[in-house]
Amino acid sequence: DAGVTQSPTHLIKTRGQQVTLRCSPKSGHDTVSWYQQALGQGPQFIFQYYEEEERQRGNFPDRFSGHQFPNYSSELNVNALLLGDSALYLCASSPRTAEQYFGPGTRLTVT
Amino acid sequence: AQSVTQPDIHITVSEGASLELRCNYSYGATPYLFWYVQSPGQGLQLLLKYFSGDTLVQGIKGFEAEFKRSQSSFNLRKPSVHWSDAAEYFCAVGAMNTGFQKLVFGTGTRLLVSP
Repeated sequence: DAGVTQSPTHLIKTRGQQVTLRCSPKSGHDTVSWYQQALGQGPQFIFQYYEEEERQRGNFPDRFSGHQFPNYSSELNVNALLLGDSALYLCASSPRTAEQYFGPGTRLTVT
Repeated sequence: AQSVTQPDIHITVSEGASLELRCNYSYGATPYLFWYVQSPGQGLQLLLKYFSGDTLVQGIKGFEAEFKRSQSSFNLRKPSVHWSDAAEYFCAVGAMNTGFQKLVFGTGTRLLVSP
């Protein structure tokens, strides 16, 4: 049984560009959450998707947006990248209010 | 607002010695509590969780944690540390909102294991 998968593993972007990160949840999970982990910090909640709708959102600007597809996979989009967006982006899946299982993350570097 | 405090940034333990990592939380209702472990450059692995019931919970890799409501604590313990336990450990509280749960994490404790 495959766990949570994320792509790509690493990417490097330039300030002002846009980026899309992808996540496939664990089998049987219908809720996907995204977190940002800056270097040396704990993960910070960005938003959560269920039934293709954003259900909760953390304290992140509108430059951060997402989508969930009918097969429960999800995308995180970040527009107008800033140097401060450099971080490890983690996707987590769960069956609603149960424990969340994390993917390996995508390391984004903005130069 | 919900918050989690992990007061120890780094802890060094000798291999074979016991371990306790501290976690204090702030949450207005009955908390859902979690411990995750993260190896360098990796995602988070769930060690154990507390939802309700027995306040002493067992997890994977020989870890356990005790929920103490009076102290707002959820400390992680292991009786004998192995070199492979060296990693970053995160405590988290599950904050419910409109039927959905988000995780609020502490800043983590880095565990170093000496020979």
